Amino acid sequence: DGGITQSPKYLFRKEGQNVTLSCEQNLNHDAMYWYRQDPGQGLRLIYYSQIVNDFQKGDIAEGYSVSREKKESFPLTVTSAQKNPTAFYLCASREQGALMNTEAFFGQGTRLTVV
Amino acid sequence: QKEVEQDPGPLSVPEGAIVSLNCTYSNSAFQYFMWYRQYSRKGPELLMYTYSSGNKEDGRFTAQVDKSSKYISLFIRDSQPSDSATYLCAMLTDSWGKFQFGAGTQVVVTP
Repeated sequence: DGGITQSPKYLFRKEGQNVTLSCEQNLNHDAMYWYRQDPGQGLRLIYYSQIVNDFQKGDIAEGYSVSREKKESFPLTVTSAQKNPTAFYLCASREQGALMNTEAFFGQGTRLTVV
Repeated sequence: QKEVEQDPGPLSVPEGAIVSLNCTYSNSAFQYFMWYRQYSRKGPELLMYTYSSGNKEDGRFTAQVDKSSKYISLFIRDSQPSDSATYLCAMLTDSWGKFQFGAGTQVVVTP
């Protein structure tokens, strides 16, 4: 089955640590996205990538980093510079440039907690 | 001001009632409109998708788009407890653009 897989489902981070969230898709989509979701604030865009080896900052990129070395993979690193990282993180992908079927498909999320 | 406004709720309705959800937006360039359903601690899943004004129906769900008023709606008929979730609206200016999401409305359908 085609889809997006995020791992791990739950992640705990100590103060000062960097952690990496995994996102893999087998939908052959060019575009991939990382969102952060906090209660009452909806989805906020962290980073997005429209093609391999290229990515752009979203609205809240500070304290985060990404890479896009393969079409299928778009890992997100939450660095120690991110002061309030506890949140639900969602990865999405979609086919760009299509007149139809341009909706985003989401993974099941990773819940990150700072301990 | 946010580009997309959505009342976060919660919206509580009895089973069998019609659920009415809406979003307003400020960017007249939005052309593609989507509604996602998100259960607690899960990723959002697409419910409805439209790229034109008017109504679109799919089973118990109807999506309405009024571009002149910059207003979109989602109606759920004969609501069930399993419809209890957060509903997010999303919009795109074009197929190459970035999504703008509403804050999401929490819906609770009570038996």
